[in-house]
Amino acid sequence: DTAVSQTPKYLVTQMGNDKSIKCEQNLGHDTMYWYKQDSKKFLKIMFSYNNKELIINETVPNRFSPKSPDKAHLNLHINSLELGDSAVYFCASSQHGPGQPQHFGDGTRLSIL
Amino acid sequence: AQSVSQHNHHVILSEAASLELGCNYSYGGTVNLFWYVQYPGQHLQLLLKYFSGDPLVKGIKGFEAEFIKSKFSFNLRKPSVQWSDTAEYFCAVTLNRGANNLFFGTGTRLTVIP
Repeated sequence: DTAVSQTPKYLVTQMGNDKSIKCEQNLGHDTMYWYKQDSKKFLKIMFSYNNKELIINETVPNRFSPKSPDKAHLNLHINSLELGDSAVYFCASSQHGPGQPQHFGDGTRLSIL
Repeated sequence: AQSVSQHNHHVILSEAASLELGCNYSYGGTVNLFWYVQYPGQHLQLLLKYFSGDPLVKGIKGFEAEFIKSKFSFNLRKPSVQWSDTAEYFCAVTLNRGANNLFFGTGTRLTVIP
């Protein structure tokens, strides 16, 4: 059973389009995250939700809008895609609280043409 | 500025060689420390973590790491690497306050030659 699953695995689209990435976890965790990994493999937090409420919103363009319908799901919607959005996006989940280890999904490779 | 530094960008070793990957952080206060591994084309997996207690932490696959508070370091070690250890290794920190998001280092690519 996949613990943290993301769809799609690959996403190729043109500049200006709007796209969504879905994430689901079956670990019973109450906190979920989105990270962006750039072409140099650097990973940076984008958003964090605890029990469907936003608790971290790093400096991310407002074209990115996370949505958490319930604590097992955290989706990422991106409007007006730009070339610089090309990256691998990882979803993760953990229990709430300092130091709780995070479990990662397989990533979604987004390529903007 | 607060950061996590991994000084080795790419390490190339022969099988059976010993490994040490450096990690330093510059966050004040109590931190929690992690090493994650990313095998080619796969997601990040937790190798080991340090919260408190014994500063020498043992993880999966024969890896260990030592927290040296005075040096703000958390270096990863393995006595004898295998070809299957070829991967990207990330050091990461969470702060013991506020949200639980990970602050990552830039990663170290390990290539093990058979």
